[in-house]
Amino acid sequence: EAQVTQNPRYLITVTGKKLTVTCSQNMNHEYMSWYRQDPGLGLRQIYYSMNVEVTDKGDVPEGYKVSRKEKRNFPLILESPSPNQTSLYFCASRGAYGYTFGSGTRLTVV
Amino acid sequence: AQKITQTQPGMFVQEKEAVTLDCTYDTSDQSYGLFWYKQPSSGEMIFLIYQGSYDEQNATEGRYSLNFQKARKSANLVISASQLGDSAMYFCAMSLSGTYKYIFGTGTRLKVLA
Repeated sequence: EAQVTQNPRYLITVTGKKLTVTCSQNMNHEYMSWYRQDPGLGLRQIYYSMNVEVTDKGDVPEGYKVSRKEKRNFPLILESPSPNQTSLYFCASRGAYGYTFGSGTRLTVV
Repeated sequence: AQKITQTQPGMFVQEKEAVTLDCTYDTSDQSYGLFWYKQPSSGEMIFLIYQGSYDEQNATEGRYSLNFQKARKSANLVISASQLGDSAMYFCAMSLSGTYKYIFGTGTRLKVLA
């Protein structure tokens, strides 16, 4: 089954403790992206990747890092999480007609 | 500036009736794509329907249709014969030619009443 797998689904962490949200797709898509969803703001793009070793900032990149060492994986790294990064995060990969989204990661930073 | 506007934060519809969710967009590009996604309470994003800017016919997928009015820059989602399982948040999104970037609206929360 074609899918994007994100882990974990839920995460509660403390301010400043580094964390990584993993994302993997099995569709051989070149383009992958991370979004965060906040009430009243819709989904906003954090980072995207056009291919292996090619990444770029989206609209809200501050406080996040990404890497794309393999085509299938695109992890999101929060080096020093802060409470304003509490949000619902989605990884997505782009095919011919649009994105396939992961199931989402609900992150709470206390 | 490119933008997607969904003016209805929330809507109610009676089961088995049709409902229209509004979406207007703003872009100066000639080539773009318009999408609708459904987000149930479980949180996942489910692709519903796609319309290309050069498509002359309105897109249709089962009970979903996209009412595309290019001159008015609107791409409304029509759900026919609403079901209780249609209760969810719905997002309109636009992709721009030459980029893979999506621009999302703020969403409309639909509640279907029994």
